[in-house]
Amino acid sequence: NAGVMQNPRHLVRRRGQEARLRCSPMKGHSHVYWYRQLPEEGLKFMVYLQKENIIDESGMPKERFSAEFPKEGPSILRIQQVVRGDSAAYFCASSAVRQLNTEAFFGQGTRLTVV
Amino acid sequence: GNSVTQMEGPVTLSEEAFLTINCTYTATGYPSLFWYVQYPGEGLQLLLKATKADDKGSNKGFEATYRKETTSFHLEKGSVQVSDSAVYFCALRSISNFGNEKLTFGTGTRLTIIP
Repeated sequence: NAGVMQNPRHLVRRRGQEARLRCSPMKGHSHVYWYRQLPEEGLKFMVYLQKENIIDESGMPKERFSAEFPKEGPSILRIQQVVRGDSAAYFCASSAVRQLNTEAFFGQGTRLTVV
Repeated sequence: GNSVTQMEGPVTLSEEAFLTINCTYTATGYPSLFWYVQYPGEGLQLLLKATKADDKGSNKGFEATYRKETTSFHLEKGSVQVSDSAVYFCALRSISNFGNEKLTFGTGTRLTIIP
């Protein structure tokens, strides 16, 4: 049973380009959480999605960031017109039920570098 | 809002030394508390948890006790091994305004064990 798969593991973008980060949850999981880890900081909650629905996006920046979790395919975190301050590690977690507890599993993360 | 304050690293110890990584929290209500570990190149893994005051979580020789009076959840291990080298994150679980649960993380403590 494959774990949470994130790709790419490393992503380099120039300022102004778009970044797309993918997260395939564990089989049978329909709840996805995205977190961002800035250098020397902890993980910060960004958004919580269920299939085709955004439930809680209270941690998402108001501009340039969006997330989706379509009926088919992985969850996508999209960052438009990236800036240097977007450089961070982005982690995805998935769970089978609404509660984020021991059933939640994290991916290996995508490390975004904006040059 | 909720917050987690973790002992700053990096921490370097010799094999078989005693380990303590301090963690204190600020939260309303009665959060659950967690320690996650991130080994090099991997995602976060749940190490142990405690869901109410005075509970002790334990796993792989690590322990942490939920102390409500001091709002702490310090991680301890009596004799560390080289394989314990990793980054350790303290976290609390709370209910968001949207009714979903989410984790609030500390900044992480990098632990290196020297043979």
